[in-house]
Amino acid sequence: NAGVTQTPKFRVLKTGQSMTLLCAQDMNHEYMYWYRQDPGMGLRLIHYSVGEGTTAKGEVPDGYNVSRLKKQNFLLGLESAAPSQTSVYFCASRRTVTDTQYFGPGTRLTVL
Amino acid sequence: AQKVTQAQTEISVVEKEDVTLDCVYETRDTTYYLFWYKQPPSGELVFLIRRNSFDEQNEISGRYSWNFQKSTSSFNFTITASQVVDSAVYFCALSEAGTSYDKVIFGPGTSLSVIP
Repeated sequence: NAGVTQTPKFRVLKTGQSMTLLCAQDMNHEYMYWYRQDPGMGLRLIHYSVGEGTTAKGEVPDGYNVSRLKKQNFLLGLESAAPSQTSVYFCASRRTVTDTQYFGPGTRLTVL
Repeated sequence: AQKVTQAQTEISVVEKEDVTLDCVYETRDTTYYLFWYKQPPSGELVFLIRRNSFDEQNEISGRYSWNFQKSTSSFNFTITASQVVDSAVYFCALSEAGTSYDKVIFGPGTSLSVIP
């Protein structure tokens, strides 16, 4: 039982490049989330999903897209990376809305 | 709208001192959940506690205790006899009922440094 895993752990992009961050969970959780963490701002919700095939916007969705084609995977895409997207990205999942979230180890992304 | 405020940006204490981390939340719902997470220097997020809005009992877990007061919309976290290993950033979070129930909103965090 690996819990929540994120790929990659680190990435450096140039402005305008695209990439996809992968989040995978093996706990059969319905709910999955993508957050970004910036100094002094806590974790801000980018997008989330309440089940396979569904996605919804969080607080800061601009510049990101997501997909949940399989229940266990939640992909976060950056179509045209900008320096403002330099951050640490955390994925989380939980079984129901009343349960605790379990977090992945994070992905540190730098956009030059 | 939901909001979580952690007014203390950074706190430093000497080992063995007690320290309280404040969390104030805003919500229009009567049903909601509150959480505390710890983020040590290694970066992972560690779940500490979950409390629903109908349970105002204080909770103690070893050196950790939580004081939930609906009258002041606060969910404060106290570490007794702090240790160096308690040095971390601590986040308070809120999940409210209704259309926002599936989202969890985090406060900005309090960075705690415990000095030996």
